[in-house]
Amino acid sequence: DTGVSQDPRHKITKRGQNVTFRCDPISEHNRLYWYRQTLGQGPEFLTYFQNEAQLEKSRLLSDRFSAERPKGSFSTLEIQRTEQGDSAMYLCASSSTGSETQYFGPGTRLLVL
Amino acid sequence: SQKIEQNSEALNIQEGKTATLTCNYTNYSPAYLQWYRQDPGRGPVFLLLIRENEKEKRKERLKVTFDTTLKQSLFHITASQPADSATYLCAPSSGGYNKLIFGAGTRLAVHP
Repeated sequence: DTGVSQDPRHKITKRGQNVTFRCDPISEHNRLYWYRQTLGQGPEFLTYFQNEAQLEKSRLLSDRFSAERPKGSFSTLEIQRTEQGDSAMYLCASSSTGSETQYFGPGTRLLVL
Repeated sequence: SQKIEQNSEALNIQEGKTATLTCNYTNYSPAYLQWYRQDPGRGPVFLLLIRENEKEKRKERLKVTFDTTLKQSLFHITASQPADSATYLCAPSSGGYNKLIFGAGTRLAVHP
């Protein structure tokens, strides 16, 4: 069990560029979540997948954000036309059906200049 | 709207003492509440879960209480150690597919 992994760990980009992050959950977990965390705040829910189906998107997730989990395994989160306000830590978590506990990855820290 | 409040100021205590962190919530009735630990630059790590019908839960030096009347959970670390220094997050949950809503966290610093 290698835990949840995320790639890249850090990303610096210029405003207006597109970025994509990847999350590999724990292999037997069918649930996958994305959260965003800014300094001094707790993680905020962005979106949730059960297997390959995206079942909920937060109102925080503007049209510039899109997430996929095409085969029910890894997931990607893409931000188009990045803005400085998108600078944050993007966290991925996974869990299995019936388990309340979520296992978090190390996060991807995004800085938009 | 749902609101979760944790001590906003850092908690500084001396090694060996008991740390007590508070989590208050309003405008919902969670079926259970979780506590996570987060170190700088890392993702949260699950510590304990307590259900609405449980008053207290223990794990090694950790103890959590859950008072649904007061809408409050207390998180205790006994015999604290410098290695316990971290931010502690609470997440009350109504269940379902377990989308977590976190408080802002309380930063604990344990001094030798």
